Amino acid sequence: SQELEQSPQSLIVQEGKNLTINCTSSKTLYGLYWYKQKYGEGLIFLMMLQKGGEEKSHEKITAKLDEKKQQSSLHITASQPSHAGIYLCGADLGRGSTLGRLYFGRGTQLTVWP
Amino acid sequence: SAVISQKPSRDICQRGTSLTIQCQVDSQVTMMFWYRQQPGQSLTLIATANQGSEATYESGFVIDKFPISRPNLTFSTLTVSNMSPEDSSIYLCSVEGIGRYGYTFGSGTRLTVV
Repeated sequence: SQELEQSPQSLIVQEGKNLTINCTSSKTLYGLYWYKQKYGEGLIFLMMLQKGGEEKSHEKITAKLDEKKQQSSLHITASQPSHAGIYLCGADLGRGSTLGRLYFGRGTQLTVWP
Repeated sequence: SAVISQKPSRDICQRGTSLTIQCQVDSQVTMMFWYRQQPGQSLTLIATANQGSEATYESGFVIDKFPISRPNLTFSTLTVSNMSPEDSSIYLCSVEGIGRYGYTFGSGTRLTVV
């Protein structure tokens, strides 16, 4: 089973529109990370959330962590073609055997058309 | 945050052969992580590499297939041995970030086995 579920799997939006990507964990979250990946490339770190209720913003991207719901959301305001890519959430589920291990969702493929 | 140089960026290999992937970090780090991303799938941790000790492998991954070296605090290699087409994936190394930078990933190695 997948510990982290991301939704939607893919998203196609028109430039200028707002969008939200969700990440839900089946386990207790000890840290939630958002990354962006361009097709076939490495991961670019976006944001890290560690406390319940925490919210962080960078440029037009805002991420929130709802500890009670074990869920995080990533919101992009006024999307641009440069936002296109695969958004991945990764979580530290606090399993004692492997410190620092992250579990990842399957990703959300975002396409922004002009 | 740490900067990781990963190479090769991509390779096409014949089945039955082996490929060694290198990751060089610009600062000393205790733990390095190796992930695999199969086509259309999320990242899966292969193993954790600590300097001076044997790597710790996740369920489903074995040392004979994915031997790892960690000769010092800035360098690690992952070898994919006796490759088959099922090994075609993106392989990424990662290190724990400092403070608010989360985990840093290399740019990935895109492996195709023919």
